[in-house]
Amino acid sequence: QKEVEQNSGPLSVPEGAIASLNCTYSDRGSQSFFWYRQYSGKSPELIMSIYSNGDKEDGRFTAQLNKASQYVSLLIRDSQPSDSATYLCAVKGGNKLVFGAGTILRVKS
Amino acid sequence: DTAVSQTPKYLVTQMGNDKSIKCEQNLGHDTMYWYKQDSKKFLKIMFSYNNKELIINETVPNRFSPKSPDKAHLNLHINSLELGDSAVYFCASSQARYNEQFFGPGTRLTVL
Repeated sequence: QKEVEQNSGPLSVPEGAIASLNCTYSDRGSQSFFWYRQYSGKSPELIMSIYSNGDKEDGRFTAQLNKASQYVSLLIRDSQPSDSATYLCAVKGGNKLVFGAGTILRVKS
Repeated sequence: DTAVSQTPKYLVTQMGNDKSIKCEQNLGHDTMYWYKQDSKKFLKIMFSYNNKELIINETVPNRFSPKSPDKAHLNLHINSLELGDSAVYFCASSQARYNEQFFGPGTRLTVL
């Protein structure tokens, strides 16, 4: 079983729609969760971190965490073509950050 | 600019050669990392240093040797390069162990 799982996509949404990206993890003791955005040929860029159950909003981005279900998600409201990228979920497992394989998001104008 | 920087950005070399990648951060962080991202875009931790002390050493061939001369620098030396070493290598740093990590621009290594 992979430690951090994401649907590889691509997830295609029209411009202006809500994009919903999901991630599940296997280590029930994990306490810290992160979403990174990676454009093609570029480095991962931290866009959200979340540490407690519930929602955390930052601009058009909302991270949601449910530790009981071992599930973390990222919602992107009013999606723009510039949001097209690979989104990496990362979970602090033990003493290291474990990344999922990423979900490719395509926003069509 | 405050950032994590890496040199070189591209590295093309022959099998069997030895090469080094350098990383520097001016964010004042105390922890630095090396990651490998393969052709399938999977990002995996290789090493981590906290205040010049090695704290993570994943299952990496011992041809890979990290060195941290101070907490702002972390270098990666690779001996006897193999085709399978071709990948993008990212350096990252964080303040306080394993919290939010910030990545350098990456070094694309191609072994011919």
